[in-house]
Amino acid sequence: DSGVTQTPKHLITATGQRVTLRCSPRSGDLSVYWYQQSLDQGLQFLIQYYNGEERAKGNILERFSAQQFPDLHSELNLSSLELGDSALYFCASSVVPDNTGELFFGEGSRLTVL
Amino acid sequence: GQQVMQIPQYQHVQEGEDFTTYCNSSTTLSNIQWYKQRPGGHPVFLIQLVKSGEVKKQKRLTFQFGEAKKNSSLHITATQTTDVGTYFCAANFGNEKLTFGTGTRLTIIP
Repeated sequence: DSGVTQTPKHLITATGQRVTLRCSPRSGDLSVYWYQQSLDQGLQFLIQYYNGEERAKGNILERFSAQQFPDLHSELNLSSLELGDSALYFCASSVVPDNTGELFFGEGSRLTVL
Repeated sequence: GQQVMQIPQYQHVQEGEDFTTYCNSSTTLSNIQWYKQRPGGHPVFLIQLVKSGEVKKQKRLTFQFGEAKKNSSLHITATQTTDVGTYFCAANFGNEKLTFGTGTRLTIIP
């Protein structure tokens, strides 16, 4: 158990819909990262927040947005969903903001768009 | 863009044989991390390398960081069935983003 909690574990929805994925980081971790992993693919970095502020942005689509709340949990919003958005979405947390420390990953949210 | 190449993509080995995966970058890295993802699981941190030429060992696993800090390798001696999974390197180019390699999927033949 990494201490990072992600909900929901599985989500099935239709094209054009909007979903929200939630992540609670490990206690004490201020950094939250979102990654996308498509079938048999690597991990694509989407976005990072540190203590409520956006810290770094990766290949995140304009249809996607995220935020980190004062209690440090984070939400990833995916809208106007397309078939190609079907993937496993991981949240990770760390103590430090600058990728010099270990990332602790949650178990992921598997999104299926039909 | 800044990318890290990881090879091989797949590796099938007999139990007891050795296994190596390599990561290469055209750009000098600040540090590199290695993660293991079991089938159906999530990535789990293995180690971080920071210094040029650094070598670290964890039981049967040996991690190396190249002298120029542009490449890294993970070597497993005498593989066991518990080693099954996908091994990812994750490169820090010093730009606040951790770039993961494409991973090497290791399959063990009993």
